[in-house]
Amino acid sequence: GENVEQHPSTLSVQEGDSAVIKCTYSDSASNYFPWYKQELGKRPQLIIDIRSNVGEKKDQRIAVTLNKTAKHFSLHITETQPEDSAVYFCAASNWNNDMRFGAGTRLTVKP
Amino acid sequence: DSGVTQTPKHLITATGQRVTLRCSPRSGDLSVYWYQQSLDQGLQFLIQYYNGEERAKGNILERFSAQQFPDLHSELNLSSLELGDSALYFCASSVSPGGVDQPQHFGDGTRLSIL
Repeated sequence: GENVEQHPSTLSVQEGDSAVIKCTYSDSASNYFPWYKQELGKRPQLIIDIRSNVGEKKDQRIAVTLNKTAKHFSLHITETQPEDSAVYFCAASNWNNDMRFGAGTRLTVKP
Repeated sequence: DSGVTQTPKHLITATGQRVTLRCSPRSGDLSVYWYQQSLDQGLQFLIQYYNGEERAKGNILERFSAQQFPDLHSELNLSSLELGDSALYFCASSVSPGGVDQPQHFGDGTRLSIL
């Protein structure tokens, strides 16, 4: 089955700096890669996703890149704000597997 | 609001007891997933149902069981509860079992506390 590794486990940045979270996956058949943001005590919420036929996708200050050859994908947050502080989870799935999540990254944006 | 409804929001019980958590998926979603999230931990996949049938199993203990009913709501049954079962239990739903363009939408979770 799929195995997803996520790094770093914690990340602290100054407000206005960029943050990058990286994930690797093991199943070359995986073709869908969502990212979720979870604020303390709340449900994970989808913030951006990317499909295997796309190398990069942007949505305002958030971008995701995918390297299928290397089997890794990354979340990039620019101009970070205190409200970006949360736990971020990456995930990977394919047509036959249930979705597997990374262990999460706790992002802290210091004002 | 994700459209996924979980009840109850909070549950407090004692060791050795049995509880049932309930999930109603978003309208039109056929697949339901259950996850366990212990304090400051990641999302541990427990089990998945699609249109009433079990489709995938994760690290679900034998003391735990689930089912999905004809109206597509799902229940997670936890028995012989232990202190370590204290966690936030999330249900998520998606249109189909998996694949491209199939994000999972999460409910607000049930917080289970074992005393």
